[in-house]
Amino acid sequence: QSALTQPASVSGSPGQSITISCTGTSSDVGSSNHVSWYQQHPGKAPKLMIFEVSDRPSGVSNRFSGSKSGNTASLTISGLQAEDEADYYCRSYAASRSYVFGSGTTVTVL
Amino acid sequence: QVQLQESGPGLVKPSETLSLTCAVSGDSIISDNRWSWVRQPPGKGLEWIGEAFHRGDTKYNPSLKSRVTVSVDKSKNHFSLEVRSVTAADTAVYYCTRQGGWYSDFWGQGFLVTVSS
Repeated sequence: QSALTQPASVSGSPGQSITISCTGTSSDVGSSNHVSWYQQHPGKAPKLMIFEVSDRPSGVSNRFSGSKSGNTASLTISGLQAEDEADYYCRSYAASRSYVFGSGTTVTVL
Repeated sequence: QVQLQESGPGLVKPSETLSLTCAVSGDSIISDNRWSWVRQPPGKGLEWIGEAFHRGDTKYNPSLKSRVTVSVDKSKNHFSLEVRSVTAADTAVYYCTRQGGWYSDFWGQGFLVTVSS
């Protein structure tokens, strides 16, 4: 199974909104509501930010939101802050009874 | 609070078996959660390896399935990973995670395993 496709980098100024796309196929993102998003700061373990496409775990800022349309899932960060600078990965359950991660996106706050 | 801690040899020789353990605290290994492993080669992205449920059900990444085993030890409240016939491509930071549903809600801090002679 191939990694889901994410843009290598996305940037924005403080206060702006950015959106990270995660494109898969009808065998993963397109047929699953089990899409999650993870934030990873350098040298740290990933942190769950969104699960089941658009649900937020307790403690995660409501500036983070998720959605899905067809074979593409998206993560939107509104009111961008310096602390949001990190790598972001999507993950989807797949028809092969396994999970596939996205290729990862580096978010830069200008 | 759920905590996970990876442990094992940090250096493995090519063609040998990589074995890691994840100690779980704050939750029972026989709860309704699944327990999984994820790895990240240096400077690269995340790769899901596999998961196990205490009743014996397992799922694996198709690209690794022939070389990998994830198992649960109920007596020690921990779970393990074995990767057989390793090569340099298996050098990575290995994370253990709790799958609270269809997502990894708690992660270990990560453990670097280097494959080298």
